[in-house]
Amino acid sequence: DAGVTQSPTHLIKTRGQQVTLRCSPKSGHDTVSWYQQALGQGPQFIFQYYEEEERQRGNFPDRFSGHQFPNYSSELNVNALLLGDSALYLCASSPRRKGATFGSGTRLTVV
Amino acid sequence: GENVEQHPSTLSVQEGDSAVIKCTYSDSASNYFPWYKQELGKRPQLIIDIRSNVGEKKDQRIAVTLNKTAKHFSLHITETQPEDSAVYFCAASMEGNEKLTFGTGTRLTIIP
Repeated sequence: DAGVTQSPTHLIKTRGQQVTLRCSPKSGHDTVSWYQQALGQGPQFIFQYYEEEERQRGNFPDRFSGHQFPNYSSELNVNALLLGDSALYLCASSPRRKGATFGSGTRLTVV
Repeated sequence: GENVEQHPSTLSVQEGDSAVIKCTYSDSASNYFPWYKQELGKRPQLIIDIRSNVGEKKDQRIAVTLNKTAKHFSLHITETQPEDSAVYFCAASMEGNEKLTFGTGTRLTIIP
């Protein structure tokens, strides 16, 4: 049984560009959340999707947007990249009211 | 919103000894408290969790205690082994509302 899979694993982008990160949740999980983890910090909640709708949002600007597809997979889009957006982006999936399982993340470097 | 504080930030323990990591939370509505272990370059992995209707939960060498009145919870690792070396994160959320608020992490080093 595949766990949470994320792609790509690493990405280098130039300041001002746009990026799309992808996540396939664990089988049986219908809720997907995205987190940003800066080096040496704990993960910070970006937003959560359930039933193809954004259900909750953390303290992140509108440059961060997302989508969930009917098969529960999800995308995270970041526009107008800043150097400070460099981080590990983690996707976590869960069934409702259960603990989250994290993917291995996408390491985004903005230069 | 919820705020989670975690102490200590670093902890070195002799192999075989016990390690304790403590967290406090601010939102009394939080009722789900997971602990994650993150090895260098890897994903956070859920190692144990506790819900607010339980005061203590144990899984082999790992235990978590929760004090709802004081709004703090702790991770206890007994008989530590070198493979326990990692960064540990506590988190808090409201069950059914899976947004996790994480602590700042504890880097645990087991000294052989």
